[in-house]
Amino acid sequence: SQQGEEDPQALSIQEGENATMNCSYKTSINNLQWYRQNSGRGLVHLILIRSNEREKHSGRLRVTLDTSKKSSSLLITASRAADTASYFCATDRVQGAQKLVFGQGTRLTINP
Amino acid sequence: GEEVAQTPKHLVRGEGQKAKLYCAPIKGHSYVFWYQQVLKNEFKFLISFQNENVFDETGMPKERFSAKCLPNSPCSLEIQATKLEDSAVYFCASSRRNVANQPQHFGDGTRLSIL
Repeated sequence: SQQGEEDPQALSIQEGENATMNCSYKTSINNLQWYRQNSGRGLVHLILIRSNEREKHSGRLRVTLDTSKKSSSLLITASRAADTASYFCATDRVQGAQKLVFGQGTRLTINP
Repeated sequence: GEEVAQTPKHLVRGEGQKAKLYCAPIKGHSYVFWYQQVLKNEFKFLISFQNENVFDETGMPKERFSAKCLPNSPCSLEIQATKLEDSAVYFCASSRRNVANQPQHFGDGTRLSIL
């Protein structure tokens, strides 16, 4: 069963605004990753944050991780129409097989 | 290749028929994973391989589902006696090593429609 929950389930903002998505999980983790899925396509890896890291940046992306709250957030700054997609967090567990456990995703729509 | 290649893109089967899906991992990647996505959200892990050996099959349904990764051949996922509930998009992913900090690279999936 899925252990992650993401909120909001859907987010619609204007181009140029910032978008924040949140992810919560239930068990201890090794890493947390964020993926993007465009309609009809596979998942594209965006960023990986290790359990001993608190914040990570990649271009317009900023990810935070709070292991005490078992939560993570993905911030996309200066959003563009091309950022329209579904975003999923995924975790892999300490001392377990490296299968990914996904959240249910946030559908992000950027309006021009 | 540089991308995970999945075939076919779309597969339609009548209920009770067999379905077989294929995945060619990125060259040099030793680990292959299969996931099932239903209704455009939940991804469910099915099975993973280390080269041709099953690594983790805890997500595979006990009956009807089987998978293989043979040398010099695409990996395959086969569903016998398909049911309506098998309708989903099946994704394959590969990674260089099955250790921490290695992202999984996904193919574009096979959409399986059971009629």
